[in-house]
Amino acid sequence: DVKVTQSSRYLVKRTGEKVFLECVQDMDHENMFWYRQDPGLGLRLIYFSYDVKMKEKGDIPEGYSVSREKKERFSLILESASTNQTSMYLCASRPGSQYQETQYFGPGTRLLVL
Amino acid sequence: SQQGEEDPQALSIQEGENATMNCSYKTSINNLQWYRQNSGRGLVHLILIRSNEREKHSGRLRVTLDTSKKSSSLLITASRAADTASYFCATEPLYNFNKFYFGSGTKLNVKP
Repeated sequence: DVKVTQSSRYLVKRTGEKVFLECVQDMDHENMFWYRQDPGLGLRLIYFSYDVKMKEKGDIPEGYSVSREKKERFSLILESASTNQTSMYLCASRPGSQYQETQYFGPGTRLLVL
Repeated sequence: SQQGEEDPQALSIQEGENATMNCSYKTSINNLQWYRQNSGRGLVHLILIRSNEREKHSGRLRVTLDTSKKSSSLLITASRAADTASYFCATEPLYNFNKFYFGSGTKLNVKP
């Protein structure tokens, strides 16, 4: 079974803090993703990575950065957290480079920025 | 926005009835995927349908795709209380590998 784990289920941070969200997958997948999910807006892609040290912007990268130093780990960084970054953050991974492959999601991290 | 739209936003049915959810999208796609999300949890993949396929089945799930109308539907037959969840469609645009666009979801409530 594919397992995607996220470092925290719930996180409370203060405005201006630097926040790290960690995601680990155990299936040697090449591709990893970070999404945020807000009510009425569905999931929106922040960044994805198709290989170690490689990253591409999604639809809403502003205010975020990512790091992929090892194949199994993909980190999302909020350089200076703001209240409008309060959201549910979902990590996903996907094998290979074929269009017919699906994504596997982690359980999500609910972040509250005060 | 290239995001898909789902319809209806919410659906409430009795156990045993069928549930149909629709998804429309804006750009040409390589594939369309349906996911389920139980309250406050991660998404679980249900079905992937490629742009050259018209219909796909998996157990009680039936997905159709009409690329001329840029729409898809998910039918759950003989629904159960355990099917209560939010359902999302996601499209992967043609020539844009990994750049998924999700709809806003349909919230399904199946009453026992």
